[in-house]
Amino acid sequence: GESVGLHLPTLSVQEGDNSIINCAYSNSASDYFIWYKQESGKGPQFIIDIRSNMDKRQGQRVTVLLNKTVKHLSLQIAATQPGDSAVYFCAEVTNFGNEKLTFGTGTRLTIIP
Amino acid sequence: ETGVTQSPTHLIKTRGQQVTLRCSSQSGHNTVSWYQQALGQGPQFIFQYYREEENGRGNFPPRFSGLQFPNYSSELNVNALELDDSALYLCASSKGLAGGELFFGEGSRLTVL
Repeated sequence: GESVGLHLPTLSVQEGDNSIINCAYSNSASDYFIWYKQESGKGPQFIIDIRSNMDKRQGQRVTVLLNKTVKHLSLQIAATQPGDSAVYFCAEVTNFGNEKLTFGTGTRLTIIP
Repeated sequence: ETGVTQSPTHLIKTRGQQVTLRCSSQSGHNTVSWYQQALGQGPQFIFQYYREEENGRGNFPPRFSGLQFPNYSSELNVNALELDDSALYLCASSKGLAGGELFFGEGSRLTVL
């Protein structure tokens, strides 16, 4: 069945270092993936997305990589800052037309000053 | 600020009671989705409304129901509350159904005693 899982539930990174958050998905029919950031007490915030016809997409300080062969995607955050501390979720869309997102359980990223 | 507002922000109910949660979508958005986020978990899709009609539903029982109004605001109703309904309820709005970005509100935290 559909599932989106994350390899690590927590990640601590020194401020200024790069971080990589990984995500595995099981539905090969998924064709759109999104990374969200959720700070304590707030709703998820869109970070970056990628469609299945791409394998890499870059934003400001963030890069998403998609490997369809092994059904894996990752979020790379460059030069981490204290404000990057949050829970990060990957989500997949498998049914364009109702935009149902299937979220993983999340990875808590902590930036160490 | 995403422009998506939810009310109330916090509420406490007892088992068996009914609750109504409200969401105002971002200006120009005609699609509203509702998600349930249990503590320490990723959000789970409840249902989506597009132009006042339900357009997709997740694995939630019929006691979870909703409405969308002509101004595209939305309500989530939950009858016969159970302890496991305690969660953060998130509303997200988007423009149409073409896989566009979802904008989440801050959520309504429901505690069922």
